[in-house]
Amino acid sequence: DAEITQSPRHKITETGRQVTLACHQTWNHNNMFWYRQDLGHGLRLIHYSYGVQDTNKGEVSDGYSVSRSNTEDLPLTLESAASSQTSVYFCASSEGSANTQYFGPGTRLTVL
Amino acid sequence: GEDVEQSLFLSVREGDSSVINCTYTDSSSTYLYWYKQEPGAGLQLLTYIFSNMDMKQDQRLTVLLNKKDKHLSLRIADTQTGDSAIYFCAETPDQTGANNLFFGTGTRLTVIP
Repeated sequence: DAEITQSPRHKITETGRQVTLACHQTWNHNNMFWYRQDLGHGLRLIHYSYGVQDTNKGEVSDGYSVSRSNTEDLPLTLESAASSQTSVYFCASSEGSANTQYFGPGTRLTVL
Repeated sequence: GEDVEQSLFLSVREGDSSVINCTYTDSSSTYLYWYKQEPGAGLQLLTYIFSNMDMKQDQRLTVLLNKKDKHLSLRIADTQTGDSAIYFCAETPDQTGANNLFFGTGTRLTVIP
């Protein structure tokens, strides 16, 4: 069955370190998204991609970057982790006219 | 940007109906969605409604859309303990299928046995 996976599921890192969160989907969807979930804010869009070599900034993109070298993967990189980036991160992919997005299980990131 | 508002908490007794409400500001919304998030899990799409509809029913779920008031609701009939979760309302302004979703803060539904 097609799916979307994220790794790691949990990560603890220190301020200033570079961190990369992986997202892999086997739906063959062109559209992929990264969100962060924080209490009181719901989900906020970080970056998104409409296809290979395409990346776009979302609402809260500062301090994050993505790259899209193939259809299946959209890794999210925190260049220099900050405590404000402690959050739960969700990856999603979508295709089709109804824009129904399918979410991964999430990565809980703690920056100490 | 678009604002999507939800109340944070709702408690109901098992067997009763639950109604989760959502308001949004974007008048160009084309699709509106309800997602469910169980503890420690990602978001699961429950249902969606196109903006030219005012009601959609799917088994125990009924979605009502009042486009004039920009109000969306999700009714869960015969609520069960397994329905306890966070429910997110979301909307997208675009019909191409590639645009972003704007989410509400989520409503935590607690079902009391």
